[in-house]
Amino acid sequence: EPEVTQTPSHQVTQMGQEVILRCVPISNHLYFYWYRQILGQKVEFLVSFYNNEISEKSEIFDDQFSVERPDGSNFTLKIRSTKLEDSAMYFCASSEGAGGTYEQYFGPGTRLTVT
Amino acid sequence: QKEVEQNSGPLSVPEGAIASLNCTYSDRGSQSFFWYRQYSGKSPELIMFIYSNGDKEDGRFTAQLNKASQYVSLLIRDSQPSDSATYLCAVNRGAQKLVFGQGTRLTINP
Repeated sequence: EPEVTQTPSHQVTQMGQEVILRCVPISNHLYFYWYRQILGQKVEFLVSFYNNEISEKSEIFDDQFSVERPDGSNFTLKIRSTKLEDSAMYFCASSEGAGGTYEQYFGPGTRLTVT
Repeated sequence: QKEVEQNSGPLSVPEGAIASLNCTYSDRGSQSFFWYRQYSGKSPELIMFIYSNGDKEDGRFTAQLNKASQYVSLLIRDSQPSDSATYLCAVNRGAQKLVFGQGTRLTINP
């Protein structure tokens, strides 16, 4: 069964450093997402991406964040200058289409620890 | 008022019984409703979704939606210890993002 994959599974970085989290969405899916979950808190939407551009973003997704689809399979989230409060699980998700009847499938996540 | 509200639990149910998980949402424009299961330290795993009023069944799981009451529920029949997890309710308002509730922690006791 096709699945979303993410690398690395765990990333430790120092405050102020840049990190890139990588995702390979399900191959026939057209919409890609990043969510995050701070320990003990709810899953929060960051950004959605379609046709090589951001289609929706949350207030969390400020100028320190960017997303890119550098090739035909990868989808990346870059955090330019990490802060302690960026420590969280970051989940990539993908769906065939957008809107209510399309399921979003989540990858296993990357645990980001900022020290 | 929170957009999506769930009782955080823990909800404790004996093995073989029916577990009932509830979720309310504030935006009447919400169009579809998803239930995810999340084991500790793992990612959300889709169980099922519903967008029409009434019941939708998939194996041991039944989702129920009442748009007038802004209420969605998930029933798990014949609960198994492996069903012990946090259950996340998520709402889509016709756009792309899912809005999640805090989740309900469910424990099935053998």
